[in-house]
Amino acid sequence: DIQMTQSPSSLSASVGDRVTITCRASQSISSYLNWYQQKPGKAPKLLIYAASSLQGGVPSRFSGSGSGTDFTLTISSLQPEDFAIYYCQQSYDTPRTFGQGTKLEIK
Amino acid sequence: EVQLEESGGGLVQPGGSLRLSCAASGFTFSSYWMSWVRQAPGKGLEWVANIKQDGSEKFYVDSVKGRFTISRDNAKTSLYLEMNSLRAEDTAVYYCARESSLLYRSGWYFWFDPWGQGTLVTVSS
Repeated sequence: DIQMTQSPSSLSASVGDRVTITCRASQSISSYLNWYQQKPGKAPKLLIYAASSLQGGVPSRFSGSGSGTDFTLTISSLQPEDFAIYYCQQSYDTPRTFGQGTKLEIK
Repeated sequence: EVQLEESGGGLVQPGGSLRLSCAASGFTFSSYWMSWVRQAPGKGLEWVANIKQDGSEKFYVDSVKGRFTISRDNAKTSLYLEMNSLRAEDTAVYYCARESSLLYRSGWYFWFDPWGQGTLVTVSS
């Protein structure tokens, strides 16, 4: 199985900050990488698919990059509604696997 | 509006069985792979199983193989998860999710969107 490792596991930041979350795959997955946001008590929401494609309706302050084994999710200017848990997920192979999550908290 | 709505969760004893359902609406259900993803309390996301558009292919995470069965009824636009021999570690919120896809440079890209609101399964005596 492909292991997905996110860093950091948690992050404190302030409104207006630029934030980067990293996701590393245990083997090359090309660009088969997606990012989700999850708020407490809610289902995950797709932000980015195919490593860098922004899902419709998602604010442009979110962006994704990377290929192979190393990927990043960047939020250019944090807004109050962005404090949540973020997950990466690979679709290169089955089983689909997720990173352990990065909890983004208010500083 | 594209919607997924799960049902069937509840409290069950270890070794028991439960059948989850997911009612889909607002899209051509028969055109999509579908998945179940679970989340144990306070933990991360774990993909459980998926099924091809016509039900001819099914895949499972190792921890549920032989115990869980995914199925679908395209006429009823519904997805199911039959869970047997349940264990405490199966306790989780179970989400159904559509696998949207894109063919790009001879490769199929998949992602989960949308997700249902989830149904809680608790395995405890």
